[in-house]
Amino acid sequence: AQSVTQPDIHITVSEGASLELRCNYSYGATPYLFWYVQSPGQGLQLLLKYFSGDTLVQGIKGFEAEFKRSQSSFNLRKPSVHWSDAAEYFCAVGGASTDKLIFGTGTRLQVFP
Amino acid sequence: SAVISQKPSRDICQRGTSLTIQCQVDSQVTMMFWYRQQPGQSLTLIATANQGSEATYESGFVIDKFPISRPNLTFSTLTVSNMSPEDSSIYLCSVEKDFGDGYTFGSGTRLTVV
Repeated sequence: AQSVTQPDIHITVSEGASLELRCNYSYGATPYLFWYVQSPGQGLQLLLKYFSGDTLVQGIKGFEAEFKRSQSSFNLRKPSVHWSDAAEYFCAVGGASTDKLIFGTGTRLQVFP
Repeated sequence: SAVISQKPSRDICQRGTSLTIQCQVDSQVTMMFWYRQQPGQSLTLIATANQGSEATYESGFVIDKFPISRPNLTFSTLTVSNMSPEDSSIYLCSVEKDFGDGYTFGSGTRLTVV
């Protein structure tokens, strides 16, 4: 079955610390992988995506993610977190352009000064 | 990427009534997707809307409860019918303008049913 697992429901980090949010997926075909961020009361903003090619992808706001096929993972990283990064982060997997997205349950990031 | 205008942004409705949510896209897209995000939860796909054909509903969602219109390639509506408090959620529309762009989401409609 197709699924996305985000093992960490809630993560707290200090401002300036590094961050890694975990995402594991199960998908029968070639996966297209996405990370979205949702600030309180807002819609979803695309941080980055992986379709093919270089397995390390760069996104907006200083985020990057690495696709590891052998581990079925697509973890999101940021070397130095800012207070404005506090939000809910969703990993999602899809297939061809006409396929639906399957979302993980999300990780809530809290940033302390 | 596409720009989506979704409205209303929020509403408080009486149980038993219906609410229609609109999504306008700034470019033509083949498919539009409607999602529900229940409080504190992730996103669940309700249905996929193609222009000129009936929407395709996911398991657990039915047309009588969530009728969808897709009159052209830039617009779609989702109606939440005969609402109950369990329908209180954020409803979002989404499109992918060109393959590889990534999916763009509307800002969402926060619905509260009282």
